[in-house]
Amino acid sequence: ETGVTQSPTHLIKTRGQQVTLRCSSQSGHNTVSWYQQALGQGPQFIFQYYREEENGRGNFPPRFSGLQFPNYSSELNVNALELDDSALYLCASSTGQGKVTEAFFGQGTRLTVV
Amino acid sequence: DAKTTQPTSMDCAEGRAANLPCNHSTISGNEYVYWYRQIHSQGPQYIIHGLKNNETNEMASLIITEDRKSSTLILPHATLRDTAVYYCIVRVKNAGNMLTFGGGTRLMVKP
Repeated sequence: ETGVTQSPTHLIKTRGQQVTLRCSSQSGHNTVSWYQQALGQGPQFIFQYYREEENGRGNFPPRFSGLQFPNYSSELNVNALELDDSALYLCASSTGQGKVTEAFFGQGTRLTVV
Repeated sequence: DAKTTQPTSMDCAEGRAANLPCNHSTISGNEYVYWYRQIHSQGPQYIIHGLKNNETNEMASLIITEDRKSSTLILPHATLRDTAVYYCIVRVKNAGNMLTFGGGTRLMVKP
């Protein structure tokens, strides 16, 4: 148990729809990041939020967006879903910048786009 | 982040030590070596990290060569529950949660 919880655990959406995934970070962690993991591959970094602001982004299009709230929980929003968006979406939290810290991951949300 | 190279897969007998190598020949002086593992259908789990000295915790030991161009993760007494994909990652101190995962090593622990 890492203290990072994600919801929902599984989700099925239709191509073209929009989806919101949620992450509750571990207590005291102010940095949250999101990853996409396609089947058989390693996780790919989407973006990171620190104190409610995005401060790092991977190679993902703008239809992937996010939010971080004052309690440091976070949302990942994906618009105009494509079949290739089917993946395990992982959230990770840590105590933030300027430290040698480890990131703690949630169990992920399995998104299937049909 | 520096690129890492790991074997695609390895086998280990239960109860024996599992030694997982990682090459990171382009590592910079301010980059740390991190190891994570991912058991099937779960999120990655932090194992250990180090800069240049060898490190040990309750899960594993990390041996980093003097030139820092490679490292080895050692699970001293592998169990069936250690079967997982193991990822070696190098990252700068201030990277937050920005981790660059490669393909990792699929470790199969056999009875």
